[in-house]
Amino acid sequence: AQKITQTQPGMFVQEKEAVTLDCTYDTSDPSYGLFWYKQPSSGEMIFLIYQGSYDQQNATEGRYSLNFQKARKSANLVISASQLGDSAMYFCAMREGLISSGSARQLTFGSGTQLTVLP
Amino acid sequence: EAQVTQNPRYLITVTGKKLTVTCSQNMNHEYMSWYRQDPGLGLRQIYYSMNVEVTDKGDVPEGYKVSRKEKRNFPLILESPSPNQTSLYFCASSSGQGTSPLHFGNGTRLTVT
Repeated sequence: AQKITQTQPGMFVQEKEAVTLDCTYDTSDPSYGLFWYKQPSSGEMIFLIYQGSYDQQNATEGRYSLNFQKARKSANLVISASQLGDSAMYFCAMREGLISSGSARQLTFGSGTQLTVLP
Repeated sequence: EAQVTQNPRYLITVTGKKLTVTCSQNMNHEYMSWYRQDPGLGLRQIYYSMNVEVTDKGDVPEGYKVSRKEKRNFPLILESPSPNQTSLYFCASSSGQGTSPLHFGNGTRLTVT
């Protein structure tokens, strides 16, 4: 079974509007973290935001926020006031076993969502 | 500047010709890892290292080797590359704490003909 599922291969949004990128995950571990990365056309991977499974509040970083619904196992990324520079591939990733050791450091990635911001 | 440096950025080679992609980080990170990115599959982990002389297989290790002789360096070795190893490769590092993000290099686009 897929551990991270991103069901939207491509999304379009008008400049200055908000957009939500979906991410659902599958784990039986009570201690895990969820990460979002941005990959522009130049190829580099840019870390955007992190949410821990025990965090009481949804994470926010500037125009990025995470809509974390633990019971539904979803961690959707919300980008407010979209800009042309937000056009990129976006990856959701999970790290399980934050308390345990060993392969707990691995990040498992989804297949990504290609976001295009329209002028 | 804190960074992960991998070289080369682009590499075209032929089947069977051994190659090495270098990776170096200047953040004193314990954890380093290699991923490959293929369309529709996201990033998949090849190998990782928890510290010097400690390495382990990820999800897709076949056809790859790694070594960690120094904390800062984590080269990826393809002893006999094949066309199915044509991909975009990323080296990444982190402090090893569960909440810390991976810091990625700029990627190496490898083509094996």
